[in-house]
Amino acid sequence: LAKTTQPISMDSYEGQEVNITCSHNNIATNDYITWYQQFPSQGPRFIIQGYKTKVTNEVASLFIPADRKSSTLSLPRVSLSDTAVYYCLVGDKNAGNMLTFGGGTRLMVKP
Amino acid sequence: EAGVAQSPRYKIIEKRQSVAFWCNPISGHATLYWYQQILGQGPKLLIQFQNNGVVDDSQLPKDRFSAERLKGVDSTLKIQPAKLEDSAVYLCASSPQWNEQFFGPGTRLTVL
Repeated sequence: LAKTTQPISMDSYEGQEVNITCSHNNIATNDYITWYQQFPSQGPRFIIQGYKTKVTNEVASLFIPADRKSSTLSLPRVSLSDTAVYYCLVGDKNAGNMLTFGGGTRLMVKP
Repeated sequence: EAGVAQSPRYKIIEKRQSVAFWCNPISGHATLYWYQQILGQGPKLLIQFQNNGVVDDSQLPKDRFSAERLKGVDSTLKIQPAKLEDSAVYLCASSPQWNEQFFGPGTRLTVL
């Protein structure tokens, strides 16, 4: 399974764009990259998923370079409610859908 | 659409006691997962079901943990006997397709 590495924590201010980078050097050909968000006392929530280049939805954008060894989750104009832990996962289809959560990145948005 | 339901939300037991958690996935989701999340860490997958069959339980401590998913819908996770280190949040998730999981609110277990 591909291992992921993320910063342990990040601070930002309201209205700023936040970019969280995840490293996954041994990503396999069939692997997709998925990001989840988790608020305190709640289960993780799916944010976005991609395979290559750029994916955008109403919540975030995901940038994946050509070598796919890293990915960047971009949150535009964050608010206090975006304070959460963000997890980057790399999915191995050959492992029967098993997904491994790392330690995640704890984002603190300040007023 | 109703989400993943879990009960109880909180449970406090003494070590060596038994405990069971229940999960009702989103209707129609064939895949069900149980995770253990220790405070300050990411969720750790314990077991994955596809319908009522086990896909992977390699990280399930089988000497004390057991899980079943009868009829391919609801699932229960049991710990017998509990240890202090089992204190954690137990998350259930389900998915209709590969990689996008919908999580329940979790059960917070405290073992004294």
